[in-house]
Amino acid sequence: KAGVTQTPRYLIKTRGQQVTLSCSPISGHRSVSWYQQTPGQGLQFLFEYFSETQRNKGNFPGRFSGRQFSNSRSEMNVSTLELGDSALYLCASSLTGQGVEWNSPLHFGNGTRLTVT
Amino acid sequence: TQLLEQSPQFLSIQEGENLTVYCNSSSVFSSLQWYRQEPGEGPVLLVTVVTGGEVKKLKRLTFQFGDARKDSSLHITAAQPGDTGLYLCAGYPGTYKYIFGTGTRLKVLA
Repeated sequence: KAGVTQTPRYLIKTRGQQVTLSCSPISGHRSVSWYQQTPGQGLQFLFEYFSETQRNKGNFPGRFSGRQFSNSRSEMNVSTLELGDSALYLCASSLTGQGVEWNSPLHFGNGTRLTVT
Repeated sequence: TQLLEQSPQFLSIQEGENLTVYCNSSSVFSSLQWYRQEPGEGPVLLVTVVTGGEVKKLKRLTFQFGDARKDSSLHITAAQPGDTGLYLCAGYPGTYKYIFGTGTRLKVLA
């Protein structure tokens, strides 16, 4: 069974640009969550989607947005990039959705490393 | 704001030593999970604990959920170099997101 796939693995962008990251969940998983990981802040929750609906959103500015498609694949977009957006962006899928049943753990991809210069 | 504080932040020990990592919060969680993350990879689930006071063992790793479901600990017996990594606890408050702890970076020296 294929795991969670994130593309691309690495990205280098300049300030002011925008970027789109992609995530393909494990087959059959309908929930996709996005997290930002930085050395100083750890893993911070961005948003969660289930059946194309955003069910929760973290405390990030509106420059961060996402969507989920009917096949459960998800994308996140960051517009007007800032230096502070440099981070590892992790996508995680789960069978139902974020512990609605406690035995639905998060399965993470290997992330997209975004560097903003 | 719900926070999960982990301690210690960094730990460097010799192979064969025992260690305990703590995950504390002032909030109650429906469940708590522990993950391990290695460089260049995403976190991988180790265990989920649900019931207050629950103890789970995974080979040399022992996980405990506090009676009040606000804290947890991870104990590793006879650590091995393969245990090296970033250990993360994550609590589920019931709102379609997990709150992740600050992380404990463990290095086991051969």
